[in-house]
Amino acid sequence: GQNIDQPTEMTATEGAIVQINCTYQTSGFNGLFWYQQHAGEAPTFLSYNVLDGLEEKGRFSSFLSRSKGYSYLLLKELQMKDSASYLCAVTLPYSNAGNNRKLIWGLGTSLAVNP
Amino acid sequence: SAVISQKPSRDICQRGTSLTIQCQVDSQVTMMFWYRQQPGQSLTLIATANQGSEATYESGFVIDKFPISRPNLTFSTLTVSNMSPEDSSIYLCSVVLGANEKLFFGSGTQLSVL
Repeated sequence: GQNIDQPTEMTATEGAIVQINCTYQTSGFNGLFWYQQHAGEAPTFLSYNVLDGLEEKGRFSSFLSRSKGYSYLLLKELQMKDSASYLCAVTLPYSNAGNNRKLIWGLGTSLAVNP
Repeated sequence: SAVISQKPSRDICQRGTSLTIQCQVDSQVTMMFWYRQQPGQSLTLIATANQGSEATYESGFVIDKFPISRPNLTFSTLTVSNMSPEDSSIYLCSVVLGANEKLFFGSGTQLSVL
C-alpha cells in the first residue's frame, strides 16, 4: 500500500521558524512535492525534491532523505499569511503508475501562525 | 506556469441534479486531471482526461457518475451526476507542466448539495 504521514496541526509564532515533517512508504519513488493551500483556495506549488539534501528558496526550504523515506518543509521568518495547509505528495515512477504519473497525497498539515 | 480557469467557482445544487464543471488552460497539455477534496481530507484523484481517448478512472469512481469530456488539448469538463449530499466537495482540475512535471491547479469548484 501507499502511505504518507504528516502532523495534522501545528502552531507557531510570527517571526519564528517551523519545520513540517513528512514520512512516506510507497511502492516506488520519483520525487516529492510540497504544496501550500489556503482555506477555500487551490493548492499552489512550493517545492519539488528528487535528490537527497536541502533545497532553499527564499523563506522556504525543503529537505529529502530517500533512504529514510523522510522530508521536511522549513519555513523561516513566519508571517501571518503563512497560515495555511501544507500538503506533501510523492510521485511514483512510470513503471509503477502505468501511463499516467501518479501522485500520492498526504492529508496535509494545518499551520496556524499567531502574532 | 499555466493559467487554469475553472468555473463555476461555487454552486449549491439540489439532490438528484447534475453539475458540469469546466476547465480551460492557456496552453496545450496532454493530460488533465480531476481531483476531489472533501472537507478535512486531502486530494483524491477522480480521473485522468486524455485528449482523443476515454478518461481513465481511479478505483471508486465510474464514468456514469463522473462523465468527463476532453474535446481538445486546452479544455475539459467534469460532470457530477445525480448528486447527493456526499458529493459536497471541492473539485479541482489540474495539469502537469515542465521538466519536473509540476502539477498546477485550477481555482477549484466548491460544490454543496442539499
